[in-house]
Amino acid sequence: DVKVTQSSRYLVKRTGEKVFLECVQDMDHENMFWYRQDPGLGLRLIYFSYDVKMKEKGDIPEGYSVSREKKERFSLILESASTNQTSMYLCASSFWWTGESGTTSSNEQFFGPGTRLTVL
Amino acid sequence: LAKTTQPISMDSYEGQEVNITCSHNNIATNDYITWYQQFPSQGPRFIIQGYKTKVTNEVASLFIPADRKSSTLSLPRVSLSDTAVYYCLVGVGFEEYGNKLVFGAGTILRVKS
Repeated sequence: DVKVTQSSRYLVKRTGEKVFLECVQDMDHENMFWYRQDPGLGLRLIYFSYDVKMKEKGDIPEGYSVSREKKERFSLILESASTNQTSMYLCASSFWWTGESGTTSSNEQFFGPGTRLTVL
Repeated sequence: LAKTTQPISMDSYEGQEVNITCSHNNIATNDYITWYQQFPSQGPRFIIQGYKTKVTNEVASLFIPADRKSSTLSLPRVSLSDTAVYYCLVGVGFEEYGNKLVFGAGTILRVKS
């Protein structure tokens, strides 16, 4: 079974603190993602990475940075936490797969359990 | 990006077959149709993916008509534990690092005893 683990289930931080969220996957997947999920807004992509040291911005990268120094590990960093970053953070990983259309896809994503971050 | 429309919520009873339909009128030629399930306080879980016609796995079936403008997720004989949010997504993920999946609001399925 694919395992995606996140460093904490619950985290409480203060405004202005630097916050690190760690994600590790054990299936040698090329791609890794960070999402946040908020009521009424669904899942929104923050950053993704398709290789070591590579990163791409998602829909809401402001206030976040990421690091991928090893293939199995993808870190999300909140440089200076703010109350509007209180949310559920979800990490995912995926492999490249080519289906019937002949197009390569990374749609089958494996998600971690999530970290519920509260910024006071 | 193809926009998807699915019911906000559905109710069913244990043992029934549940069909959730998703509309995606502007699906692109290369797009795949992917369904996820999410329980409260957990990350989404991949259920099934298809391109055309019918796909079946141990959990569900996915029916895609020839025009691909809609798709139907079929859950056979649901149980209380199938109560969850179901998301329909259309796209190819991150091909060429430009396209990406969009999770909409999903369909809340409530299974009653």
